[in-house]
Amino acid sequence: DAGITQSPRHKVTETGTPVTLRCHQTENHRYMYWYRQDPGHGLRLIHYSYGVKDTDKGEVSDGYSVSRSKTEDFLLTLESATSSQTSVYFCAIWSGDFNEQFFGPGTRLTVL
Amino acid sequence: GQNIDQPTEMTATEGAIVQINCTYQTSGFNGLFWYQQHAGEAPTFLSYNVLDGLEEKGRFSSFLSRSKGYSYLLLKELQMKDSASYLCAEAGGTSYGKLTFGQGTILTVHP
Repeated sequence: DAGITQSPRHKVTETGTPVTLRCHQTENHRYMYWYRQDPGHGLRLIHYSYGVKDTDKGEVSDGYSVSRSKTEDFLLTLESATSSQTSVYFCAIWSGDFNEQFFGPGTRLTVL
Repeated sequence: GQNIDQPTEMTATEGAIVQINCTYQTSGFNGLFWYQQHAGEAPTFLSYNVLDGLEEKGRFSSFLSRSKGYSYLLLKELQMKDSASYLCAEAGGTSYGKLTFGQGTILTVHP
């Protein structure tokens, strides 16, 4: 499983509140990603990181910010959650050794 | 963005063979991935193709034609546990691992 954990695994929050999701990896991978998965849209890239303090936007970055102050942690923040951000969020890492992208277990977020 | 097209749903019978097709735009191509995703779980890696041809891995094989922007996943000797969503994803651009996913094909295997 490439040592990827996500927290929390489930969260229910109210519109307008800030939310931070955490992705933690134990194998020192350089590249990390945040995706969201919604019915009818598949997996879409939100933000990604190619090293500590190096991040960039993906396809659906509006309303989200990220931070990576340590190699092992990649945080996704919703500054003011909206109902359209109700989704399942997956973190992933890139293993260059195997040309594979491994996914974390996911976080199910509900914004009421 | 890059359009990835795959069928929405497919059904097949246990023990049979099924082929799931995927088409993609060919510009900036850096590889084609297939993932399996069971309901409520994370996607798991199945295959990666960057050169033309067939890659076989047990009951699963994946084919790529770069000139046609076409790939397929072939599942043989289907089992009930193969019922899942199969995701096609293209690696494009200059950053490692920036994958563009199709919407996924939901495969249902019947007894």
